[in-house]
Amino acid sequence: EIVLTQSPGTLSLSPGERATLSCRASQSISTSYLAWYQQKPGQAPRLLIYGASSRATGIPDRFSGSGSGTDFTLTISRLEPEDFAVYYCQQYGSSPPYPFGQGTKLEIK
Amino acid sequence: EVQLVESGGALVQPGGSLRLSCAASGFSFSSYEMNWVRQAPGKGLEWISYISSSGSIIYYADSVKGRFTISRDNAKNSLYLQMHSLRDEDTAVYYCARGYVAAVSDYWGQGTLVTVSS
Repeated sequence: EIVLTQSPGTLSLSPGERATLSCRASQSISTSYLAWYQQKPGQAPRLLIYGASSRATGIPDRFSGSGSGTDFTLTISRLEPEDFAVYYCQQYGSSPPYPFGQGTKLEIK
Repeated sequence: EVQLVESGGALVQPGGSLRLSCAASGFSFSSYEMNWVRQAPGKGLEWISYISSSGSIIYYADSVKGRFTISRDNAKNSLYLQMHSLRDEDTAVYYCARGYVAAVSDYWGQGTLVTVSS
C-alpha cells in the first residue's frame, strides 16, 4: 500500500511569495496518478491538479504541479490572500486504496 | 450547476448502523464514478470507498471493509453508504464526491456529520 508523506507540515509565507509543497510516495505512482486539493476551514476540498501536472477546470495558472515516480511538487507562483489553506495530495493509481497525504497547512507569515 | 447533497448523518452509539445518502443533480449521474471521503474532526482526508458508474466495480479502504457498503441508484441520481458496526473512530464528516478520473474527485458535497458515541 502506498503511503504519501507531505512536507512541510506547516509553511509560513507572505502574499506575493512563492510556495513549494512536497508530496513523497513510499513507492512509485504509476502514470503520475497524483492529485492535489485545497481545503479551507469549514469547506469541502477543491480539486487543483490531477495527473501530477494538469490543472482542473477554473484553477488559476499560478498553481502548477510537477513530478513523477515518488516525488511530486505543488507550486504556487505568487501567493494571493485566498491561497492560505490546507493542501492535500492523493494517489489514484490503478489499484486501491487511494490515500491522501496528511496535508500541508499554508499560513500567512 | 453540479450539486451533491449528503444527508443521514447523526449521533449513533458504538456498534450501531447508519445509512448516508447523497443526492446528485446538474450532471449525468449515471456516467460518473463516485467516491466517499471522510474527515475526522481536526484531521486530514481519508478516502473510504469508490463505485464505478454502473456500480459493477467497488473498492473500500481497509478501515471500513466488511462494515460499510457503497451503492448507487442511477434512476434516482443517488449514492449511498450503509454503515454497520460503527466505532468511535468512524466519527467524521462524510463527503460524497464525483469521480473525475477514478478516485480523483472534482465536485464535493458539503458533508454530513456522523458522531459515534455512547
